[in-house]
Amino acid sequence: GIQVEQSPPDLILQEGANSTLRCNFSDSVNNLQWFHQNPWGQLINLFYIPSGTKQNGRLSATTVATERYSLLYISSSQTTDSGVYFCAVERGNAGGTSYGKLTFGQGTILTVHP
Amino acid sequence: EAGVTQFPSHSVIEKGQTVTLRCDPISGHDNLYWYRRVMGKEIKFLLHFVKESKQDESGMPNNRFLAERTGGTYSTLKVQPAELEDSGVYFCASSQVRLAGYQETQYFGPGTRLLVL
Repeated sequence: GIQVEQSPPDLILQEGANSTLRCNFSDSVNNLQWFHQNPWGQLINLFYIPSGTKQNGRLSATTVATERYSLLYISSSQTTDSGVYFCAVERGNAGGTSYGKLTFGQGTILTVHP
Repeated sequence: EAGVTQFPSHSVIEKGQTVTLRCDPISGHDNLYWYRRVMGKEIKFLLHFVKESKQDESGMPNNRFLAERTGGTYSTLKVQPAELEDSGVYFCASSQVRLAGYQETQYFGPGTRLLVL
């Protein structure tokens, strides 16, 4: 099956700092999503981004599908950004029909100190 | 619009007992997925419904797990009998109907935390 690797596994920041999280995947994908798991365990959708660049406030994401990676940028981090960030992909075939299931990376644990 | 809801939020049971988890997808979403995160490991796919049909159940760990989606609305996931290694967080997700070449965002519920003692 498709492999998803996230880096770094852990990241500690001071409030106000910027950070970049990376997601590498081993095959072509038709879907890529970034999630934030908050301290209560809820998975919050951040981006649906199988290709291109999107921005939402202090967060932005870029996926370069041809090179099989995606980046999540967090600017001016806040303590509420703490939690686990997951990248998840859905493998696609050459015809563009996907298979439904998401394969998750191990996550990046982000801790933002005040 | 209500999001994906799951019940119960927490469940603590003894080994050998039965537990049934429920998921209500976003209204109008034909795709329904179950995932779980066992302690310390990554979130893994269990199965995928399209309406009431099982599209892919390749992630179901063994025959102690039974998922149903009668009528194509809510879904249940029953674990019988539960074992210690079944402890973890069970997530449900839903997405809109899949059209050729069009991919949809999966929206996740808050999860059910299962602890088997």
